[in-house]
Amino acid sequence: SQKIEQNSEALNIQEGKTATLTCNYTNYSPAYLQWYRQDPGRGPVFLLLIRENEKEKRKERLKVTFDTTLKQSLFHITASQPADSATYLCALVSSGTYKYIFGTGTRLKVLA
Amino acid sequence: GAVVSQHPSRVICKSGTSVKIECRSLDFQATTMFWYRQFPKQSLMLMATSNEGSKATYEQGVEKDKFLINHASLTLSTLTVTSAHPEDSSFYICSARPWKGLGEKLFFGSGTQLSVL
Repeated sequence: SQKIEQNSEALNIQEGKTATLTCNYTNYSPAYLQWYRQDPGRGPVFLLLIRENEKEKRKERLKVTFDTTLKQSLFHITASQPADSATYLCALVSSGTYKYIFGTGTRLKVLA
Repeated sequence: GAVVSQHPSRVICKSGTSVKIECRSLDFQATTMFWYRQFPKQSLMLMATSNEGSKATYEQGVEKDKFLINHASLTLSTLTVTSAHPEDSSFYICSARPWKGLGEKLFFGSGTQLSVL
C-alpha cells in the first residue's frame, strides 16, 4: 500500500542549529515533492518544490534533497530560530493523477 | 501573492443540521480545488478533488452524499456537510491550484473548525 512517513512526532533543537526533517515514501511514483509549513489552527503554507529529476533545491535558510532511489526527501533549516517552530509537511504529487498526498508531519520546536 | 479565503473559520452546530463552507481564490483562477480533513496532530486527508464545471472526484471512503462539493466558478468551491453528526467534527481545509502562472504549488485557506454537538 502507499505510504508517506515523516520522522517522529516532535523534534526539539537548539536555536542556531540545523534542523533536518525526513520524508520517506513507498509505492509512489512522484512527479515532484513539496514541503509546507503549518502553524496551529491554520492552513499549510508552501515552502519548496523539488522535481523527480532534481537532487537538491535551496531557498534562503531552507534546503531540500530528493533521492528517488531511496524514496526519501530531507528538509533542512539552517541557523534555526524559534520562529521556525511549526509543523512541517511533505507532499507527494503523483505523476498521472496529480493528486497532492500529504505526509504525517513533523512538529519542530526550536528552543531559545 | 495568491490568497485563498475560507469561511467560516469556526462553526458550532447541532447534530442533524447542514453546514456550508466556502473557499474562494481571491486573486487568481483555480481550475482545481482540493478539500482536506484534518484531525488533531494528524496529517491532511484528501477528501475530494473539485474541478470547475464538473462533478467532484471523491476519495475512497468519503461519502459524496454526505459531503457535497460544488465548484461553480473558477474562484469558488463550496463544501456542504449534510446532516452533520458529532463524528464529522474536524478541521476542514480547502486548497486551490492556480490555473496558470504560479506553478504547481497549492494555496490553502485558513481552515474551518467544525464542531457538531
